[in-house]
Amino acid sequence: DTAVSQTPKYLVTQMGNDKSIKCEQNLGHDTMYWYKQDSKKFLKIMFSYNNKELIINETVPNRFSPKSPDKAHLNLHINSLELGDSAVYFCASSQGHPNTEAFFGQGTRLTVV
Amino acid sequence: DAKTTQPPSMDCAEGRAANLPCNHSTISGNEYVYWYRQIHSQGPQYIIHGLKNNETNEMASLIITEDRKSSTLILPHATLRDTAVYYCIVRAGGGAQKLVFGQGTRLTINP
Repeated sequence: DTAVSQTPKYLVTQMGNDKSIKCEQNLGHDTMYWYKQDSKKFLKIMFSYNNKELIINETVPNRFSPKSPDKAHLNLHINSLELGDSAVYFCASSQGHPNTEAFFGQGTRLTVV
Repeated sequence: DAKTTQPPSMDCAEGRAANLPCNHSTISGNEYVYWYRQIHSQGPQYIIHGLKNNETNEMASLIITEDRKSSTLILPHATLRDTAVYYCIVRAGGGAQKLVFGQGTRLTINP
């Protein structure tokens, strides 16, 4: 079983569209994250949710809205997509105890044309 | 979170030990050293972490200097599948803390 799964794996869409990426973890973790990896391969955190509550928001544009319906899911909705949003988006999860590792999904490659 | 410095790239022969250095001279007393790797087109994978003692698991060993200002990740018998970008990250304890990724070291294992 995949621990952290993201859908879709690839997403190609036009500028101005609205799209969502879904993430699910079956590890029983209470914390989930979204990271963005741009064309230069830098990985940066976007959001973090702990027990469905937003705890980290790294100055991401308002067009990005995460939603956590329950502890096992963290979805990312993006409005009015721009060319600069093209990147690989990774979901991750961890348990909110000290010194635990994060598990990452396989990523969603978003291409905005 | 403290900043880390890693060489941009390294090569290692298959079957030999790969030693990846990391400098973290501004590390605080409550910050741990974590290592992750990212194999091409995959999500980052946790390898190992430690505070001040050396650590070993089935994947690797982590050697932290006594002053904690630097560390070395050791892959004892590198294989071609270990070719990846390796990230050294320093962060405070607590599962809900963010991971701050630097540029990492691109390790190439040569046959």
